[in-house]
Amino acid sequence: EPEVTQTPSHQVTQMGQEVILRCVPISNHLYFYWYRQILGQKVEFLVSFYNNEISEKSEIFDDQFSVERPDGSNFTLKIRSTKLEDSAMYFCASPGGRGYGYTFGSGTRLTVV
Amino acid sequence: AQSVTQLDSHVSVSEGTPVLLRCNYSSSYSPSLFWYVQHPNKGLQLLLKYTSAATLVKGINGFEAEFKKSETSFHLTKPSAHMSDAAEYFCVVSDLSRDDKIIFGKGTRLHILP
Repeated sequence: EPEVTQTPSHQVTQMGQEVILRCVPISNHLYFYWYRQILGQKVEFLVSFYNNEISEKSEIFDDQFSVERPDGSNFTLKIRSTKLEDSAMYFCASPGGRGYGYTFGSGTRLTVV
Repeated sequence: AQSVTQLDSHVSVSEGTPVLLRCNYSSSYSPSLFWYVQHPNKGLQLLLKYTSAATLVKGINGFEAEFKKSETSFHLTKPSAHMSDAAEYFCVVSDLSRDDKIIFGKGTRLHILP
């Protein structure tokens, strides 16, 4: 079964530092998504990325965030100047074809101290 | 606009008894509906999906869900709970007209009592 791979599984960073979360989606998928889950809260949509461009972003995804595809296969979510409230589980996802749901990575737990 | 409401934040059942996790949705278009499960400190795993085929959908681990358009519901059931079913369950709606962006419900934490 195809997998989405995320690294690191857990990252601790000091407030104000920049972090880069990495994801390898299912190959040959043009759509790619990032979601966030603050502890105890619902899973929230951050951004969708299609064919090397952001196709949609939520209100959460402000100038502090950016998404890149540095080498054609990996995707990164960069969070600049992290805040305590950025502590969350971050999931990337590849769609399984139209209407067939998403395959999620196992997530990166970000802790900002 | 699409939305999904999970009516219970916590559900507790005894091992061996039936499970019912409730979900209602709202969608402007023909929705696709999913249930995902998240075990503690784990990622999100797809349990089952409805994509306009059979209204009764069978998933993994003995779970199933029935799509009822008249009630705008997609409740998740299992005849007999197992201790390993203890987890967070998310009902999810996807809008085929909007590049499949999916919206999560707030989740229902299922507790299994011995």
